Amino acid sequence: DGGITQSPKYLFRKEGQNVTLSCEQNLNHDAMYWYRQDPGQGLRLIYYSQIVNDFQKGDIAEGYSVSREKKESFPLTVTSAQKNPTAFYLCASSIQGPNTGELFFGEGSRLTVL
Amino acid sequence: GIQVEQSPPDLILQEGANSTLRCNFSDSVNNLQWFHQNPWGQLINLFYIPSGTKQNGRLSATTVATERYSLLYISSSQTTDSGVYFCAVVTGGGNKLTFGTGTQLKVEL
Repeated sequence: DGGITQSPKYLFRKEGQNVTLSCEQNLNHDAMYWYRQDPGQGLRLIYYSQIVNDFQKGDIAEGYSVSREKKESFPLTVTSAQKNPTAFYLCASSIQGPNTGELFFGEGSRLTVL
Repeated sequence: GIQVEQSPPDLILQEGANSTLRCNFSDSVNNLQWFHQNPWGQLINLFYIPSGTKQNGRLSATTVATERYSLLYISSSQTTDSGVYFCAVVTGGGNKLTFGTGTQLKVEL
């Protein structure tokens, strides 16, 4: 089935450790996105990529890094520089940019920093 | 940046009741989507509706782009409709989907 797969679904980490969240899509979409959601809040954009080997910062990029070496993959690294990393992270993709069509989301990864 | 406001913030319904959720936005948009976030956190696409009216079963949506609002109608609500409903928009020339703060819906028996 076509879709967006995020892993792991739940992750615990100690303060000071980096962690990488995986996002893979088999929809042949050009654009991919990472959003963060805090309890009771809407989603905020961390990074997005409209094409392989290119990505742009969103509204809350500090403390995060990404790569886009393959069309189907857009991993997110939460670094130790991120001051409040505990959150729900959602990956999304769209055929082209968000101006031209629907975004579809994965099931999310819940990160807890102990 | 664009402001997206949703109302009401919270809503409690008896099963079988109808409801209307509203999304107001502060600028012209090229893209508007409605999502349902289930209790497990998954975002489910309901409508891609930058303008006009669409229907899907018990749900329908209308976007009046010139007046900068969109409405989501839920008829004959069921307990499985519970969750948070988000509206999200992209402005003309924009490169990101901006989310509203959501409407928390609870449908009771």
